[in-house]
Amino acid sequence: GQQLNQSPQSMFIQEGEDVSMNCTSSSIFNTWLWYKQDPGEGPVLLIALYKAGELTSNGRLTAQFGITRKDSFLNISASIPSDVGIYFCAGVSDGSGTYKYIFGTGTRLKVLA
Amino acid sequence: GAVVSQHPSWVICKSGTSVKIECRSLDFQATTMFWYRQFPKQSLMLMATSNEGSKATYEQGVEKDKFLINHASLTLSTLTVTSAHPEDSSFYICSALGDGEAFFGQGTRLTVV
Repeated sequence: GQQLNQSPQSMFIQEGEDVSMNCTSSSIFNTWLWYKQDPGEGPVLLIALYKAGELTSNGRLTAQFGITRKDSFLNISASIPSDVGIYFCAGVSDGSGTYKYIFGTGTRLKVLA
Repeated sequence: GAVVSQHPSWVICKSGTSVKIECRSLDFQATTMFWYRQFPKQSLMLMATSNEGSKATYEQGVEKDKFLINHASLTLSTLTVTSAHPEDSSFYICSALGDGEAFFGQGTRLTVV
């Protein structure tokens, strides 16, 4: 199935550090979303981006919708231990009223206290 | 936010038997639901898109006779894994589309022995 390229694949960081991850695609998407998934659970939406160039914040999280509509990044500032988990980007195409969500390959984040 | 309930959260079955997984939108109507499969340490792979009252649209490589999807009402979609084999063991996640946003179920861990 189709997937988006997400990097880095995994990262270990110290508590208090900032984290950055990004997602790229060969296709254009109308919406970019960022999710966090804890083990054994479904993804939980963190941030949604609806316009090219849009920069949106949610607490310590900041995400941007790339101008080309083919990429997005997520920043987490001042990381804390509970930020640990897997982060996925998702691109949404909704041509002809048909929605399709395509997920990135995931970034596994570990925060060292 | 909206709630999507997935049941069961885990199931163990014998090879050759069939397993049904339910996905319910509890407080909204969902004309579209998605079914994903997730292998350990990997991303969510879209299996099929299910629209209420019509046949599901399967992604390339997904056997529709093996993974039967029924979306009989605006609040319920089911995925039946028929004649399950150990290689079908995986984490299955549904999501329901409401107001242009997808809400995820908690996932079902299927183990075929």
